[in-house]
Amino acid sequence: SQTIHQWPATLVQPVGSPLSLECTVEGTSNPNLYWYRQAAGRGLQLLFYSVGIGQISSEVPQNLSASRPQDRQFILSSKKLLLSDSGFYLCACYHSGTSGNTDTQYFGPGTRLTVL
Amino acid sequence: RKEVEQDPGPFNVPEGATVAFNCTYSNSASQSFFWYRQDCRKEPKLLMSVYSSGNEDGRFTAQLNRASQYISLLIRDSKLSDSATYLCVVDSSGTYKYIFGTGTRLKVLA
Repeated sequence: SQTIHQWPATLVQPVGSPLSLECTVEGTSNPNLYWYRQAAGRGLQLLFYSVGIGQISSEVPQNLSASRPQDRQFILSSKKLLLSDSGFYLCACYHSGTSGNTDTQYFGPGTRLTVL
Repeated sequence: RKEVEQDPGPFNVPEGATVAFNCTYSNSASQSFFWYRQDCRKEPKLLMSVYSSGNEDGRFTAQLNRASQYISLLIRDSKLSDSATYLCVVDSSGTYKYIFGTGTRLKVLA
């Protein structure tokens, strides 16, 4: 089964600073990958998803961007962080049909971002 | 109307109790349904899929009612370790883009 790595685990950044969060996946190839944000006390908001290298779909207009330079690497970036960018950022991978696992999205451990 | 709605709770129940959560969804064409569990400050983890015929996994039973557009989760014989937030998840487009409910918080009390 696949393993999803995210780093850093926690991050404190000043307003206006850049951001780069990385997600890598092991144990699968050509996965669908997703970035979500969960603000304090709120549900998961889909930010971006990707079905392949260089293919990014944006769900919510904002100051964030995503890139997929390699099959199993998904990066979330910002040029200038806002206070409202604080939250728990989760990378997910859609797993389909092998090793007896349910076809669904599986999450990495997340990055907790605080913008001050 | 939100695409997926859940009662946020919290549901405070004693150990051994049976507790049920409902979740409603707005898109009648939705195809896949799941319950995820999220512990405090952790990532969501799949609890179980929800099938049209209903499914059971130990103390957990999930059911789907397409006519009324809701899914349910029943937890029997609650354990302290069941304390968590339970997220209702719907794949409304069949393209693996999931809609997450805001979650129902459960606290099982000793």
